[in-house]
Amino acid sequence: DTGVSQDPRHKITKRGQNVTFRCDPISEHNRLYWYRQTLGQGPEFLTYFQNEAQLEKSRLLSDRFSAERPKGSFSTLEIQRTEQGDSAMYLCASSFGQIAEAFFGQGTRLTVV
Amino acid sequence: RKEVEQDPGPFNVPEGATVAFNCTYSNSASQSFFWYRQDCRKEPKLLMSVYSSGNEDGRFTAQLNRASQYISLLIRDSKLSDSATYLCVADYGQNFVFGPGTRLSVLP
Repeated sequence: DTGVSQDPRHKITKRGQNVTFRCDPISEHNRLYWYRQTLGQGPEFLTYFQNEAQLEKSRLLSDRFSAERPKGSFSTLEIQRTEQGDSAMYLCASSFGQIAEAFFGQGTRLTVV
Repeated sequence: RKEVEQDPGPFNVPEGATVAFNCTYSNSASQSFFWYRQDCRKEPKLLMSVYSSGNEDGRFTAQLNRASQYISLLIRDSKLSDSATYLCVADYGQNFVFGPGTRLSVLP
């Protein structure tokens, strides 16, 4: 499978715990995006990388959130001290070049209990 | 004003109907526009890019009006399998902003 892959697909965690999600983009894509989506809403931009550089972060990305993309390949999104409001689908997408169409992974559904 | 706005929906149409979705965007500097389709509890999938001259892909036609900052998607001869949420997307600087989506249900 040469698409975008995300792991895990589902995560249930207790409030206050830390969680980390992984995204493997399409191999030749230099841009990687993280989005968050809640029921009935469109995906909301969180952050994006061009190669290993994190170039933009949304104000939605509080200091409990951190993302990395070491070596410009896979990326991780960590949420510290999770809150119930963090429950959502976390989507990763990748693209090649600027403002080219992005392709999404299947997402990680986070439930904070 | 939200960055990307769409018809609130839902749209319930019979099979074979023609349905049109509308979308407006607030950033006049946006250059790239797309329509994505999202099935329930699945990831968004690219349906089509939207070009200035308008473009068609089978039963789907997308139009862009830069002066009005308006994008449309027309689906002709709708099928049951077209039932999904349709997301309008515009670039804002170097990231993409999605609209809230319009849900379509095609009924037998």
